[in-house]
Formats: sequence, C-alpha cells, structure tokens
Amino acid sequence: EPEVTQTPSHQVTQMGQEVILRCVPISNHLYFYWYRQILGQKVEFLVSFYNNEISEKSEIFDDQFSVERPDGSNFTLKIRSTKLEDSAMYFCASRARQGIINEKLFFGSGTQLSVL
Amino acid sequence: RKEVEQDPGPFNVPEGATVAFNCTYSNSASQSFFWYRQDCRKEPKLLMSVYSSGNEDGRFTAQLNRASQYISLLIRDSKLSDSATYLCVVNWGRDDKIIFGKGTRLHILP
Repeated sequence: EPEVTQTPSHQVTQMGQEVILRCVPISNHLYFYWYRQILGQKVEFLVSFYNNEISEKSEIFDDQFSVERPDGSNFTLKIRSTKLEDSAMYFCASRARQGIINEKLFFGSGTQLSVL
Repeated sequence: RKEVEQDPGPFNVPEGATVAFNCTYSNSASQSFFWYRQDCRKEPKLLMSVYSSGNEDGRFTAQLNRASQYISLLIRDSKLSDSATYLCVVNWGRDDKIIFGKGTRLHILP
C-alpha cells in the first residue's frame, strides 16, 4: 500500500528555535493535512492544504506556523519560534480527493518533536 | 457541546466478547464519518468508513444515526489484537476539516 513518509521521526530543539517537519504525501493525492497529538491527548487538526494554499486551519495554527509545498512531492510544516507547549507528535496526512464522501485519510508515522 | 465526543474508557473486555462504542458529533452538516484505531504512540489507521445504511467488515459493524448525530462501532468475538484506542473521525462542515474525538481505549483481557 502507498505510504505517507515523514522525516525526521524524532526532532529535539531548543525553545525559540525554528523547526521544519517534512512530509512526502502519496504521489497522486491532492489534499494535505497536519495534525498534532500531545502525549495522552487527542489528535488535533492544525491545517489543510489544497492547490497550493491553506483551505482550513484551526485556532492552534497561529502566526508561528506555516506550511509549504515547495516542489511536487514535499509538504512541510514550519514552526518559527518553538515553545515548550509545541512538544507533541506531529502527523502528516493526505487524501486523494475532496467531495467524495468517506474519502479516507492516509497518515504518516509522525515526527515526535521535543522542545527543551 | 464538544465537536466530537467519545467515552474515553477504558473498556476492559474478555476475549471473545462483544463490545460497542458510541460517538456523538455536534455539526449536523457533517458528511463523512470514520473509525480509526491508534496503537500506543503510532499513527491513526483507518478501521472503517461509516456509511448511512450501516456497514460491516468482518467482526466490525459501524452504524450512523443522523437524527441523533451519533455513530457506533460494534466489535464481535473480540481478540487480544483488538486492544487499542478507537478514534471517531468526522468532517467538520467543509470537507477539508476532519477532526478526531479523544478516543475510546479498549483492553481485551485473556
């Protein structure tokens, strides 16, 4: 089965530093997502991205966050100045199409971000 | 009312038993419904989509009740490998925002 690939699997950074989390969605997918999960808590929606622009974002996704699809394969999440509370598992997901009821999301295996 | 609500559990169930979970959602415009499972510190994996007429996949049966705004998951003949957290997933109005419940933890006991 095709996979969503995320790198790195673990990222340790100092508070205030910038981090970039990378994802390679499934090649024919058009819709891309970032979620995060703080340890012991729910999977939280951050942002969705289609046609090179953000289509939806949550209250968590403030000015410190940005997403980019710099080429035809990568989809990145940047956190400009990390805070301790940004420590979480970040999941990238993609789906083929919108508007098809129950078109499923495929998830990557996540990047565990630890902010010290 | 929270967007997607689930009983967090844990449900401790003997192997071979039947167990059922419910999930309620607050946005009546939601159109897409899923059950995902998540193992400890792993990514969510699709268990099954939930269709209006209800659907079955082996030991798993999903139902949707639009009038009461809930979906359910029934697991028959539960196995040790079914131990996981089960996540209710719903699209929020527009299809681009897909949100998760907190999950229901299931422990199957030998």
